[in-house]
Amino acid sequence: GESVGLHLPTLSVQEGDNSIINCAYSNSASDYFIWYKQESGKGPQFIIDIRSNMDKRQGQRVTVLLNKTVKHLSLQIAATQPGDSAVYFCAEMSGQGAQKLVFGQGTRLTINP
Amino acid sequence: KAGVTQTPRYLIKTRGQQVTLSCSPISGHRSVSWYQQTPGQGLQFLFEYFSETQRNKGNFPGRFSGRQFSNSRSEMNVSTLELGDSALYLCASSLSVRGNTIYFGEGSWLTVV
Repeated sequence: GESVGLHLPTLSVQEGDNSIINCAYSNSASDYFIWYKQESGKGPQFIIDIRSNMDKRQGQRVTVLLNKTVKHLSLQIAATQPGDSAVYFCAEMSGQGAQKLVFGQGTRLTINP
Repeated sequence: KAGVTQTPRYLIKTRGQQVTLSCSPISGHRSVSWYQQTPGQGLQFLFEYFSETQRNKGNFPGRFSGRQFSNSRSEMNVSTLELGDSALYLCASSLSVRGNTIYFGEGSWLTVV
């Protein structure tokens, strides 16, 4: 039968504005979280990560916030640029031992000039 | 430092055939994992290898298999290809310790006709 594609949430922001991408994760036992950026035709690119013993972590123009109480993760991108247009995925790691990531559905960010 | 390298980048196979995809991790990385990305299911974990041993496996049929060599390079194989196996297959690598950053390659685009 016909496959139905994932309906990606979309976010459009003006160039230079700040953007916030949200993610709800599923497993309360997850203790490591990563944000990835994926441009068309490319593999996911690491942006920033955070461990569950932290609430906030900052990188270059990006900040990740973790709220374990409500199992919510957000990625803030400051002063967005055209090159920030991409699909952004949050991923959580749970379980013992193996390096296994469970990905969210992704958010498509579009930067308007 | 070279990133995760995957070959081939693009390939077309006929239903019923098999395919082997190759991955060279970042130098020094001993954990290699594989993911399947499709529009319908998003990014899904296939399996992870460390020191030539499969540490974890996702919920995929036995037609999907992999292995890791002593130099940490990895291959995955899909036998008896089905149309639904058409996807972007992504390899990722990381250092051995759980929670280390996971870096992805550009992927291998498989089309089954």
